[in-house]
Amino acid sequence: EADIYQTPRYLVIGTGKKITLECSQTMGHDKMYWYQQDPGMELHLIHYSYGVNSTEKGDLSSESTVSRIRTEHFPLTLESARPSHTSQYLCASSGTGTGTYEQYFGPGTRLTVT
Amino acid sequence: EDQVTQSPEALRLQEGESSSLNCSYTVSGLRGLFWYRQDPGKGPEFLFTLYSAGEEKEKERLKATLTKKESFLHITAPKPEDSATYLCAVQARGAGRRALTFGSGTRLQVQP
Repeated sequence: EADIYQTPRYLVIGTGKKITLECSQTMGHDKMYWYQQDPGMELHLIHYSYGVNSTEKGDLSSESTVSRIRTEHFPLTLESARPSHTSQYLCASSGTGTGTYEQYFGPGTRLTVT
Repeated sequence: EDQVTQSPEALRLQEGESSSLNCSYTVSGLRGLFWYRQDPGKGPEFLFTLYSAGEEKEKERLKATLTKKESFLHITAPKPEDSATYLCAVQARGAGRRALTFGSGTRLQVQP
């Protein structure tokens, strides 16, 4: 059982508000990821990090930003939420080294922007 | 560009009725192919990693196989608790290519 946590699980917020989605893992994994998933659709990578102070944008363009100040923590921030940001946001992490490692996912945050 | 196509989109089985899910992929050098299970409103749960053609892995009623172009997830004598969406993903070789490319999944419903 993977130990990766996301809060909040559900968030309903008005347009223009600033929000931060939290993600933490206790496995000591160096790589962390944020995916976006709409109902019935594929997961799309929006951000990833190889380690502390290392972040890159993913394949899907996103107005969100991320930071990686501590190994275990990878928060995602939206400065001004819009209805188009309504989606499920999934955080994942994978192990150390350069081999192929499966990614472990958190439970997700369901964001609704009204 | 890496691509993953899963079929069928949805599958309804009777309890005990075995079947297979398909995952076709194109990738510029396969590092690994992953199968996940996702329940509604939850994050994907890791099932298997396959690295090379001919490899097989099993877990309870599930067996995953891999060829150079596709992977199959065989479900033997499924039970209602196997109902979920099954996701396939690939990871390509190459520096910086650590993210997974996912298919849209197969929604499996097993009726008692």
